[in-house]
Amino acid sequence: DTGVSQNPRHKITKRGQNVTFRCDPISEHNRLYWYRQTLGQGPEFLTYFQNEAQLEKSRLLSDRFSAERPKGSFSTLEIQRTEQGDSAMYLCASSFFSGTAYGYTFGSGTRLTVV
Amino acid sequence: DQQVKQNSPSLSVQEGRISILNCDYTNSMFDYFLWYKKYPAEGPTFLISISSIKDKNEDGRFTVFLNKSAKHLSLHIVPSQPGDSAVYFCAASLWNSGNTPLVFGKGTRLSVIA
Repeated sequence: DTGVSQNPRHKITKRGQNVTFRCDPISEHNRLYWYRQTLGQGPEFLTYFQNEAQLEKSRLLSDRFSAERPKGSFSTLEIQRTEQGDSAMYLCASSFFSGTAYGYTFGSGTRLTVV
Repeated sequence: DQQVKQNSPSLSVQEGRISILNCDYTNSMFDYFLWYKKYPAEGPTFLISISSIKDKNEDGRFTVFLNKSAKHLSLHIVPSQPGDSAVYFCAASLWNSGNTPLVFGKGTRLSVIA
């Protein structure tokens, strides 16, 4: 078990370009979450999956954002036509929802800078 | 509308003394609370949690207190150590309503001075 892995760690992109981030959760975890963190703020919820089903999307997730979790394993978060306001740390977390266990394990994040 | 509030952006404490980090919430339906610790360039790591059926949970140097009537929780670190210097996030969830995604506060930066 190597924890939650996120790639890339850093991404610099020009405004208007598309970017895609990947998250590999802990293998036995069935829930996967995406959060965004900007300077001076706490993590803000974007979306989450239970297995391959996307169960909830935040209003922060505009139509330029899309997330997938094919086969209930890794997940990707794509941002189309990036804007400067998208610059943030994108955090992925996983957990095992059993009714008794809780607590997320976060990855180290992908820092996006839109120039 | 900030449902979880950490009103102190920063806190400075001498090594060996007690650190008290505070958190308020507005949604009375929240029934599970967690504290996370974050170092620079790393993701948050789970520290301690408490269910709304309890008013105290202790784990080594860390104790979380919950006051449901005041919608307030606090994290006590005793004794504080320089390695505790980090940003601490309070988080809340509707556990009994399907384990909803955690809602985080803005964090408090703790500096423990040797």
